[in-house]
Amino acid sequence: GAVVSQHPSRVICKSGTSVKIECRSLDFQATTMFWYRQFPKQSLMLMATSNEGSKATYEQGVEKDKFLINHASLTLSTLTVTSAHPEDSSFYICSARVAGRPTDTQYFGPGTRLTVL
Amino acid sequence: SQQGEEDPQALSIQEGENATMNCSYKTSINNLQWYRQNSGRGLVHLILIRSNEREKHSGRLRVTLDTSKKSSSLLITASRAADTASYFCATDNSGGYQKVTFGTGTKLQVIP
Repeated sequence: GAVVSQHPSRVICKSGTSVKIECRSLDFQATTMFWYRQFPKQSLMLMATSNEGSKATYEQGVEKDKFLINHASLTLSTLTVTSAHPEDSSFYICSARVAGRPTDTQYFGPGTRLTVL
Repeated sequence: SQQGEEDPQALSIQEGENATMNCSYKTSINNLQWYRQNSGRGLVHLILIRSNEREKHSGRLRVTLDTSKKSSSLLITASRAADTASYFCATDNSGGYQKVTFGTGTKLQVIP
């Protein structure tokens, strides 16, 4: 089956630093990747959609300069949280759509828990 | 923004009982999916039902979809303690910009 990995699984950083989270499709090519954020005891909120080779499309209210998304290849998308603050602490989950398959085929990564001190 | 709202927000049942969760959404969809999430973990895809389907089964799971009411239900029969988790519905919209948006979730506790 299609596997999506995220790295790191957990990260703790100091306020003001930048953190990069990687999302990889291990055994398939992903034309589109999605980034979600989940606060404790809440649902997943879509942050942005990224297509390989083009700029990400951000949801309303998500700061594109703070959450930098790069989809450099068909198997890798990165989310960089710049100048992180404690309110950015959250669970970040990526998902990937499979190239060449119906658009309802989407696979989720295991998530990255970010804690900003 | 949330597309779907789920009801109830929390549900506590005894092992062996059935659990029913409902999801309502706002816009036209291509399909609706149900996911499970154990505390602090990633998502597990449970079942997908397309907009032209009314009911679907997978093991102990039964999903219904009523597009006229913009609602879906997930029934877990003969629940087990291992079913304890949060359950989310997610809709794949039918607009030109396809994306999946999640409902608010139901937290299910199955008491052994």
